Amino acid sequence: ILNVEQSPQSLHVQEGDSTNFTCSFPSSNFYALHWYRWETAKSPEALFVMTLNGDEKKKGRISATLNTKEGYSYLYIKGSQPEDSATYLCASILFPGYALNFGKGTSLLVTP
Amino acid sequence: GAGVSQSPSNKVTEKGKDVELRCDPISGHTALYWYRQSLGQGLEFLIYFQGNSAPDKSGLPSDRFSAERTGGSVSTLTIQRTQQEDSAVYLCASSFGGLAGEVVRETQYFGPGTRLLVL
Repeated sequence: ILNVEQSPQSLHVQEGDSTNFTCSFPSSNFYALHWYRWETAKSPEALFVMTLNGDEKKKGRISATLNTKEGYSYLYIKGSQPEDSATYLCASILFPGYALNFGKGTSLLVTP
Repeated sequence: GAGVSQSPSNKVTEKGKDVELRCDPISGHTALYWYRQSLGQGLEFLIYFQGNSAPDKSGLPSDRFSAERTGGSVSTLTIQRTQQEDSAVYLCASSFGGLAGEVVRETQYFGPGTRLLVL
């Protein structure tokens, strides 16, 4: 994998459903993985920064895991709510630098 | 405290004109980044400023793009002779900019973006 890839591209779930997305990234030269939530007409909001293999982070109903050896991260949302509707972006830093390399995002729509 | 602000929020311009986009980072943040998102694409890195160091311009797509950061705070992204493919959302972000090895782990705080449309 040369680029950061996210799947699915979009997702439509009912309120109360739990859901998860995948972020795949190059496992060589890995330094850090960032997750952001971007709601329409707002600024991207940081969710997690993860660096260690096996890392698990949690923020309310949202959690994320990291596997640096195989190059993937999962984002989980438990009991989705309409306010969770947004585009979820992951980004990795592949080189000893700082520029975030973003995936195209997963667009989540939660309907009541 | 105040977050990252950007202006204008929207800009419509004609092909061939120059545009300037402004970013005010969070006070005290020494690292500043510019990204853009074109339609159907992911966020693309453009340029990075860290303190008084020379900026990393490796992401700028052409020599029509340039950026400055005056006084270690406000930054201006300039696009000369705009083309239709420059139409995108231009996002600015800032971070604390700690030790070099820590920057990769720092949260980047984004502004609301400038939506540029080149006709």
